[in-house]
Amino acid sequence: GENVEQHPSTLSVQEGDSAVIKCTYSDSASNYFPWYKQELGKRPQLIIDIRSNVGEKKDQRIAVTLNKTAKHFSLHITETQPEDSAVYFCAASRTGGFKTIFGAGTRLFVKA
Amino acid sequence: GAVVSQHPSWVICKSGTSVKIECRSLDFQATTMFWYRQFPKQSLMLMATSNEGSKATYEQGVEKDKFLINHASLTLSTLTVTSAHPEDSSFYICSARVPPQRLAGRSYNEQFFGPGTRLTVL
Repeated sequence: GENVEQHPSTLSVQEGDSAVIKCTYSDSASNYFPWYKQELGKRPQLIIDIRSNVGEKKDQRIAVTLNKTAKHFSLHITETQPEDSAVYFCAASRTGGFKTIFGAGTRLFVKA
Repeated sequence: GAVVSQHPSWVICKSGTSVKIECRSLDFQATTMFWYRQFPKQSLMLMATSNEGSKATYEQGVEKDKFLINHASLTLSTLTVTSAHPEDSSFYICSARVPPQRLAGRSYNEQFFGPGTRLTVL
């Protein structure tokens, strides 16, 4: 079945450094790739998403890149801050009401 | 916009009892809602897709007789955990998909999550 692999499972960076999280998906028909941030005990919140007709998207300190050929997509956070500490999930789905498949999550620690 | 609420936020029950969790879309109508289960430090595992006015679609390995889903209106879906056991203890989260008429620059596939319900079965 469909699968999304996410790496690393844990990432620790110094405040101000960049953080990169990578995901790979198996369903070649996937065309929508959201990223969610989940703080402890809270709901996942969408932070950025990208569609398959775009290779890169940026929103302030957050950017996402997509390589459809390789079925890879990545989240880049620059100038990290302690409040960026959370669990980040990548996901993949198809338009048309299909279910969303989530990666296993990356626990990001930003040390002050 | 696109707010999803969930009730209760937490519940503790005895083994063998049934627990109902409600998921509501507060400012939009959701024809499709999703129910997820999340164990500590793990990912979101889709349990079922709830479609208004029809039977839910369950993922492989999820017992439909144990996890009853009802989507009776465009703003409410319920998950009932029947005859709960300690192994059912988990964080249950619902989500709703933004309908096309509320897109306003959003993707049709974007989901908004409820705050979750922490179920503890003693």
